[in-house]
Amino acid sequence: AQSVSQHNHHVILSEAASLELGCNYSYGGTVNLFWYVQYPGQHLQLLLKYFSGDPLVKGIKGFEAEFIKSKFSFNLRKPSVQWSDTAEYFCAVNRGSSGTYKYIFGTGTRLKVLA
Amino acid sequence: NAGVTQTPKFQVLKTGQSMTLQCAQDMNHNSMYWYRQDPGMGLRLIYYSASEGTTDKGEVPNGYNVSRLNKREFSLRLESAAPSQTSVYFCASSEWGGEGTEAFFGQGTRLTVV
Repeated sequence: AQSVSQHNHHVILSEAASLELGCNYSYGGTVNLFWYVQYPGQHLQLLLKYFSGDPLVKGIKGFEAEFIKSKFSFNLRKPSVQWSDTAEYFCAVNRGSSGTYKYIFGTGTRLKVLA
Repeated sequence: NAGVTQTPKFQVLKTGQSMTLQCAQDMNHNSMYWYRQDPGMGLRLIYYSASEGTTDKGEVPNGYNVSRLNKREFSLRLESAAPSQTSVYFCASSEWGGEGTEAFFGQGTRLTVV
């Protein structure tokens, strides 16, 4: 079965520090990959997505992610975090252009940025 | 453009009571989903509907039923609520076909079963 692993459950950083959150998936076929963010008390919002093409994807708020097919990874990065980035981050995968669009989520990484 | 709308936003139930969570989307999406979010467990898929007229079980369907009422609406029913169903429930929708698309989420329903 498909699974998504996020190895960092809690991350604490100071403002201006660099961020990298890990995401690995288990599915071997064509996949679509996503990072979502959930600010406290809010619903999930899309940060960025990868379907095909350039494996380095840029999203909103200065976030980017790199798809490395050989490592089944899609890590999220930001060069300099801000206090307002405090949130929970979820990696997700679905199967792509055929079949049903089941989105499988990782367990999430809770990021706290200290001012 | 409201996107995905869930009602109610908060609910407290007693063990054994039943209730239906409502979800509607106005984006003309074909696929709809119900997830539950629990601390440390991420989002787990309860049921999904790939298109109007079809529903399928996800990872954690026990204790739930769903109805895809029409293309816009997808409801989740708890027939006999249990404390283990205390959670935050999210409805989502997405397009069908072609290159992959993202899911759009509602604001969530916080359910407490006592």
